[in-house]
Amino acid sequence: QKEVEQDPGPLSVPEGAIVSLNCTYSNSAFQYFMWYRQYSRKGPELLMYTYSSGNKEDGRFTAQVDKSSKYISLFIRDSQPSDSATYLCAMSAIIIQGAQKLVFGQGTRLTINP
Amino acid sequence: NAGVTQTPKFRILKIGQSMTLQCAQDMNHNYMYWYRQDPGMGLKLIYYSVGAGITDKGEVPNGYNVSRSTTEDFPLRLELAAPSQTSVYFCASSSATGGGNTIYFGEGSWLTVV
Repeated sequence: QKEVEQDPGPLSVPEGAIVSLNCTYSNSAFQYFMWYRQYSRKGPELLMYTYSSGNKEDGRFTAQVDKSSKYISLFIRDSQPSDSATYLCAMSAIIIQGAQKLVFGQGTRLTINP
Repeated sequence: NAGVTQTPKFRILKIGQSMTLQCAQDMNHNYMYWYRQDPGMGLKLIYYSVGAGITDKGEVPNGYNVSRSTTEDFPLRLELAAPSQTSVYFCASSSATGGGNTIYFGEGSWLTVV
């Protein structure tokens, strides 16, 4: 069983739709939960991160963590064509001396159609 | 606004050749990482460093070596390249403020071994 499972998609929705992206995980040691956005031919960039169970909102983006179910979600409201990218969930545990080991999901390729 | 800089961007290697992927960061970060990303897969940690002179293996270190002689630079060496090392390589860095701090990624180096 993979430590982190993410539906690779692809996912295609019309502009303005609400998008829901999800990941499940198996390792209870994960402490931080992140969503990265990756545009084509670019490196991942951090979109949001959360530490505890619950919701965290940033503009049109909401990250949700349910530690009891080992399930995280990212919601995008009023989706825009510029949101078209691959979204990677990632979870981290401290390896040693503060260094983080990030475990990534496969990534979901999202396309927002104008 | 340099951040994490990787060179080269693209490279084709023949089986058995060796090469070094260069990585430099100008944010004075203690922690640096090398990841690889295979098509349709998440990123996997190759090596990491918690400071100059200190490096350690990640999940997939076989066939690679690293060094960290300065805070800024973290080169990744491929010895005796194999087709299985065809991948996209990302260098990343983060500050020394503990878990949850943002990890910044470079733009990637596309490597093909033929």
